[in-house]
Amino acid sequence: DAGVTQSPTHLIKTRGQQVTLRCSPKSGHDTVSWYQQALGQGPQFIFQYYEEEERQRGNFPDRFSGHQFPNYSSELNVNALLLGDSALYLCASSLAAANTQYFGPGTRLTVL
Amino acid sequence: DAKTTQPNSMESNEEEPVHLPCNHSTISGTDYIHWYRQLPSQGPEYVIHGLTSNVNNRMASLAIAEDRKSSTLILHRATLRDAAVYYCILSGGGTSYGKLTFGQGTILTVHP
Repeated sequence: DAGVTQSPTHLIKTRGQQVTLRCSPKSGHDTVSWYQQALGQGPQFIFQYYEEEERQRGNFPDRFSGHQFPNYSSELNVNALLLGDSALYLCASSLAAANTQYFGPGTRLTVL
Repeated sequence: DAKTTQPNSMESNEEEPVHLPCNHSTISGTDYIHWYRQLPSQGPEYVIHGLTSNVNNRMASLAIAEDRKSSTLILHRATLRDAAVYYCILSGGGTSYGKLTFGQGTILTVHP
């Protein structure tokens, strides 16, 4: 049983560019959450998707957007990249009715 | 969101029990207490969660105070693989449902 997978593993972009990160949830899970983890900090909640809709959102600007597909996989898009967007981006999946989340290994984004 | 307070760091010796404390004096009646851990260069890993009663699983035990204002994660026999950052998180109540609010966590060092 595959766990949560994320791609790519690492990514380097320059300021002003746009990036798309991808996540496949654990088998049987229908809810995907995204988190940003800066170096030395705990993960910060970006948003959560369920039934292809954004269900909850953290304190992140509109440059951060997402999408969930009918197969429950998800994308995180970040526009107009800033140096401060450099971080580990984590995807977590869960069942809608449950509160326990299972995390992927993350995508390390570096903005130069 | 209700807040948790954890020590910045703790140390243990291999094969000894470890008790990781967490204070959450503003916990609401519907908040579950979750513990996650994050090993170096990995995404967070679910450890255990509970509401009111003590809980046990193959990884750890969770002891919850009668007034629910504090809890303790117990690793019965620490191994070198248990060295990680441990996060105590409240989730499940009201507007916090579906999102995990991570603090700084406790860095656990295990000595051989």
